[in-house]
Amino acid sequence: AQSVAQPEDQVNVAEGNPLTVKCTYSVSGNPYLFWYVQYPNRGLQFLLKYITGDNLVKGSYGFEAEFNKSQTSFHLKKPSALVSDSALYFCAVRDGSNDYKLSFGAGTTVTVRA
Amino acid sequence: DSGVTQTPKHLITATGQRVTLRCSPRSGDLSVYWYQQSLDQGLQFLIQYYNGEERAKGNILERFSAQQFPDLHSELNLSSLELGDSALYFCASSVALGDGGETQYFGPGTRLLVL
Repeated sequence: AQSVAQPEDQVNVAEGNPLTVKCTYSVSGNPYLFWYVQYPNRGLQFLLKYITGDNLVKGSYGFEAEFNKSQTSFHLKKPSALVSDSALYFCAVRDGSNDYKLSFGAGTTVTVRA
Repeated sequence: DSGVTQTPKHLITATGQRVTLRCSPRSGDLSVYWYQQSLDQGLQFLIQYYNGEERAKGNILERFSAQQFPDLHSELNLSSLELGDSALYFCASSVALGDGGETQYFGPGTRLLVL
């Protein structure tokens, strides 16, 4: 079975400070990892994904994520947060060995204060 | 804008009723997925269709059914509605089967309120 954990329900940062949203996963095969963002009353927007190769993945809106196989983590980062980054962030995983569906974490609400 | 469209945006109905949610995938995408997002269950995968055929099933209730039509749009039918079915229902689409690193693109969702 595949699963994702987002240990923090909420993350609060000041504008201009670094932002990190944590994600750990569990799969039996190779992981395919995704980050999505959901703004109020909107659908999920794709930010970035890890398939293979370089452990540092760059995505939309200045976000990046680092894949760490030994720690089974895929933390989302942004060097300098903006107020407009305030949203709900979801990590998702697909097990490459035996499943097609995406399993999502519970989500982390990010609030960036001016 | 992901290119995935969903109608209606909002739906208010009563317990015991039946509703149909509609989804049009991105141009060229063959797979359609349905998800339910609720406060207590989070984001749950319901079902996937690929090129008209059911591909994968998740936590979908027997009262719920879906289909994908030849033009690739999909409908999710919810019947004998209960209060607990109130949720945000998302449709997503992807280019092919949806395995590996294939990205799913989400629509804006349909918010269902069962009274």
